[in-house]
Amino acid sequence: NAGVMQNPRHLVRRRGQEARLRCSPMKGHSHVYWYRQLPEEGLKFMVYLQKENIIDESGMPKERFSAEFPKEGPSILRIQQVVRGDSAAYFCASVRDRGENEQFFGPGTRLTVL
Amino acid sequence: AQSVSQHNHHVILSEAASLELGCNYSYGGTVNLFWYVQYPGQHLQLLLKYFSGDPLVKGIKGFEAEFIKSKFSFNLRKPSVQWSDTAEYFCAVNAGSDTGGFKTIFGAGTRLFVKA
Repeated sequence: NAGVMQNPRHLVRRRGQEARLRCSPMKGHSHVYWYRQLPEEGLKFMVYLQKENIIDESGMPKERFSAEFPKEGPSILRIQQVVRGDSAAYFCASVRDRGENEQFFGPGTRLTVL
Repeated sequence: AQSVSQHNHHVILSEAASLELGCNYSYGGTVNLFWYVQYPGQHLQLLLKYFSGDPLVKGIKGFEAEFIKSKFSFNLRKPSVQWSDTAEYFCAVNAGSDTGGFKTIFGAGTRLFVKA
């Protein structure tokens, strides 16, 4: 049973470009969380989604950031017009159902903004 | 608001030394507690978790943690560390939210370096 997959593992963008980060949850899991890890800091919650629905986006910056989890395909975290401060590791975690409290983490995507 | 505090940001130990990493959280309700480890260049792996029952929890690789409810603490311990334990350790807490999910709050992490 494959674990949580994220791609790309490393992404380099210039300021002003768009970044798209993908997360494929574990088989049978229908809920996804996204976290951001800034250098020297712990993971910070960004957004919680189930297929075709955003459940909690209280940790998402108000501008430039969006997330989706379509019926088919991976969850996508999209950052428009990236700035240097967006450089971080972005992790997703999946759970089977809304009531599950143990999350399984992917390997992360390390975004570098030049 | 929930928060998690890890007391030490960097710890250096010699092999065979004992380890204790502190973790305190602030939340008044029922919580689930976790310790994760992140080896260099790798993703987060679950070391151990506490949901309910015996407050002394055994995890993988000889790690254990004790939940002390009165102190809001969940300290991680290992009697004798190895060079391969060099990694970053994260304490995490989650609790049910209004949305029905479990938003996990992480501590800032403790970087452990074990000298061979």
